[in-house]
Amino acid sequence: AQSVTQPDIHITVSEGASLELRCNYSYGATPYLFWYVQSPGQGLQLLLKYFSGDTLVQGIKGFEAEFKRSQSSFNLRKPSVHWSDAAEYFCAVGPSGAGSYQLTFGKGTKLSVIP
Amino acid sequence: SQTIHQWPATLVQPVGSPLSLECTVEGTSNPNLYWYRQAAGRGLQLLFYSVGIGQISSEVPQNLSASRPQDRQFILSSKKLLLSDSGFYLCAWSSTTGLYGYTFGSGTRLTVV
Repeated sequence: AQSVTQPDIHITVSEGASLELRCNYSYGATPYLFWYVQSPGQGLQLLLKYFSGDTLVQGIKGFEAEFKRSQSSFNLRKPSVHWSDAAEYFCAVGPSGAGSYQLTFGKGTKLSVIP
Repeated sequence: SQTIHQWPATLVQPVGSPLSLECTVEGTSNPNLYWYRQAAGRGLQLLFYSVGIGQISSEVPQNLSASRPQDRQFILSSKKLLLSDSGFYLCAWSSTTGLYGYTFGSGTRLTVV
């Protein structure tokens, strides 16, 4: 069965510092990978997704993620964090075969930003 | 464009009272629909999903039920709420293949008192 691990429950960074949130997955085939962001009291918003092709994908709000098959990872990065990036971030792995449609989510990483 | 609506945004209900949360999707047809619950620090728990009208799959046995009376309408219900039903409930939709990820509603904060 597929699974997603986000090793960091909570990360604190200073505003303007770089950010990397880790995501490792277990999946039997080529995965579809997603990062979502959730502000307090809100739903989840899609940041970016990887299906195939270039392993470095760009998303909204200045985020990017790199798919590394050899490491089963899909880490999220941002070169300079803004206070408004404080939120919870979820990694998800998805279906790649006909008849399968469910995503599996990690447990999330809460990001705090120090002004 | 597709939109998803979820209401109410907040709800405070006494123990033993019924519950009905509604979710509707616009701008697409035959979506897959999902109900998730978030408890503090416990991530996303998939409660129910539906691939068509009247087709409901339950992931976790519990005090809740779901129904899909129309193609783009998904309802989460309970006959008698428990304190443990408190949490943040999220509705989501995807295409039939789920290949493009899920789109989430804005959530309902349910507090059972």
